[in-house]
Amino acid sequence: GENVEQHPSTLSVQEGDSAVIKCTYSDSASNYFPWYKQELGKRPQLIIDIRSNVGEKKDQRIAVTLNKTAKHFSLHITETQPEDSAVYFCAASKKEYGGSQGNLIFGKGTKLSVKP
Amino acid sequence: NAGVTQTPKFRVLKTGQSMTLLCAQDMNHEYMYWYRQDPGMGLRLIHYSVGEGTTAKGEVPDGYNVSRLKKQNFLLGLESAAPSQTSVYFCASTTTGNSNQPQHFGDGTRLSIL
Repeated sequence: GENVEQHPSTLSVQEGDSAVIKCTYSDSASNYFPWYKQELGKRPQLIIDIRSNVGEKKDQRIAVTLNKTAKHFSLHITETQPEDSAVYFCAASKKEYGGSQGNLIFGKGTKLSVKP
Repeated sequence: NAGVTQTPKFRVLKTGQSMTLLCAQDMNHEYMYWYRQDPGMGLRLIHYSVGEGTTAKGEVPDGYNVSRLKKQNFLLGLESAAPSQTSVYFCASTTTGNSNQPQHFGDGTRLSIL
């Protein structure tokens, strides 16, 4: 089955710097890769996702890149702010056209701390 | 539109007791999921449902049962609680489409088994 590895487990940056979190997946058939942000004591919330038919997607200060050949995808946060401090989870799933929704397999999370 | 609602938010049980966690969604989603979240382990799928009246096992199903009698509700049961089931439980739901759709999570239930 699918396995998702996420690195690093903790990341500390200065406010204004960039942060990069990387994930690798094992199933080459995976075609959907969401990223979730979870603040302390709160629910995971989707911040960005990418499908296998594109290599990069941006939303303001957040971007995700996908390398299907190498089977890895990354989250990039630019101009980090203290409110970006949270745990970030990557995930992967697959769905064949006309088939059932694939289950998400999550990485173990990255705790990002942004120091003022 | 409340999204995904979980009850209760907190619960303390003694070993051997039983309880049911309720998840309700008002988005008319077909798929519903139960996860547990433990420190350093990420989110692990317990059981899921692809529609009313259907359930299936996830990655860590042992010790749990589920039911989906109504499309909007997904119940998670612990028949005989064990300390290893101390965790934060999240419910999620999503809709169908030609490609995978994002899952929407509830606020979680923090469960402690003494």
